[in-house]
Amino acid sequence: QVQLVQSGAEVKKPGASVRVSCKPSGDTFTDYYVHWVRQAPGQGLESLGWINPNTGGTNYAQKFQGRVTMTRDTSISTAYMEVSRLKSDDTAVYYCAKLDYSSPRNYWGQGTLVTVSS
Amino acid sequence: QSVLTQPPSASGTPGQRITISCSGSTSNILSNAVNWYQQLPGTAPKVVICSNNQRPSGVPDRFSGSKSGTSASLAISGLQSEDEADYYCSVWDDSLNGPVFGGGTKVTVL
Repeated sequence: QVQLVQSGAEVKKPGASVRVSCKPSGDTFTDYYVHWVRQAPGQGLESLGWINPNTGGTNYAQKFQGRVTMTRDTSISTAYMEVSRLKSDDTAVYYCAKLDYSSPRNYWGQGTLVTVSS
Repeated sequence: QSVLTQPPSASGTPGQRITISCSGSTSNILSNAVNWYQQLPGTAPKVVICSNNQRPSGVPDRFSGSKSGTSASLAISGLQSEDEADYYCSVWDDSLNGPVFGGGTKVTVL
């Protein structure tokens, strides 16, 4: 059974940075992209980008370029997403996910609530 | 503004059939397979349809999906109270080189 376990909730002040971790298990870490998707309160799903755990290659959504950094540590099979220069409208649940459009193998982490408040 | 367009809400009585539309473009739905996700309050999304019309194991057969051109649809027949949730379409976008999502449709069982 594939599971993605994320780090716990965070409270940050505007202007700070936050790093969320995601540790997949039950599957080969480097076989699938890790996607990061966020959901603001009462809003829909928004993709921030993805990382290829095998190569470290990334693609960020244009809206987040320059403010989001995705990395991975293959020695501990963990992916990370950092958001810098936080604003109040970055308050959201951040999910990591393995998305597959050709098979049922779609897996989501439990979500990490990031609250940005002064 | 989402790349994919869905109606914000849909409703029906128990036993009815409802459909949810998802409109995209040539760089996403026309070229690639569509997934549909169900999200219950406070939980992560769960795939109910993958690859346009494939139902994962454990998903009731009252859920079905279809695609034509730059649009896709999710149908729920024999609507049940446990189907009350938010539903999102999603597809890979070749221009953006990443997944895109619809704005979500809230399904209410009257």
